[in-house]
Amino acid sequence: EDQVTQSPEALRLQEGESSSLNCSYTVSGLRGLFWYRQDPGKGPEFLFTLYSAGEEKEKERLKATLTKKESFLHITAPKPEDSATYLCAVQASSNYGQNFVFGPGTRLSVLP
Amino acid sequence: DSGVTQTPKHLITATGQRVTLRCSPRSGDLSVYWYQQSLDQGLQFLIQYYNGEERAKGNILERFSAQQFPDLHSELNLSSLELGDSALYFCASSPRQGAYEQYFGPGTRLTVT
Repeated sequence: EDQVTQSPEALRLQEGESSSLNCSYTVSGLRGLFWYRQDPGKGPEFLFTLYSAGEEKEKERLKATLTKKESFLHITAPKPEDSATYLCAVQASSNYGQNFVFGPGTRLSVLP
Repeated sequence: DSGVTQTPKHLITATGQRVTLRCSPRSGDLSVYWYQQSLDQGLQFLIQYYNGEERAKGNILERFSAQQFPDLHSELNLSSLELGDSALYFCASSPRQGAYEQYFGPGTRLTVT
């Protein structure tokens, strides 16, 4: 069964305090790993796609990396506006075509 | 603004009723996905359509059905509603099949009383 777990469940940082969020996955055939940001009551907003182990993507204060079993979202010198829930998702091949599995998310709070 | 629109924003209905949620994808996007997000289950994939045809199925109940029309808009039909169906329902779109990012709409909040 395809599974995605994320840790920590919640994270509080001071402004400027860098940290990393973890996403661990177990899938039968990984086609892509995605990071999204979700603000309360809104739809997820796309951040990154990673396709193969060793791949890295960067955008402003965020950097995503991928290994064979997990992905990390590094946040460098975060600002209060980075506060949100960060979701990791995988697209996997399955007997029924494709499967899209989201993790439970990490709720990030950045304090000024 | 992702360019994906969903109507209605809020829906309150009673158990046993039937509702239809509507989604218009971003201009040019051929794939549409439906998700259910509840507090205890997180974001759950329901179903995907590509250019009018069903392409993938997730944890969609038999009481739920969807379709994508020739103009590419999609509808999710929920019938014999139960209290546990109360959730946020999101539609997302992407330009092609394959492993591409999805752009999510603002969601429809369904409350079943």
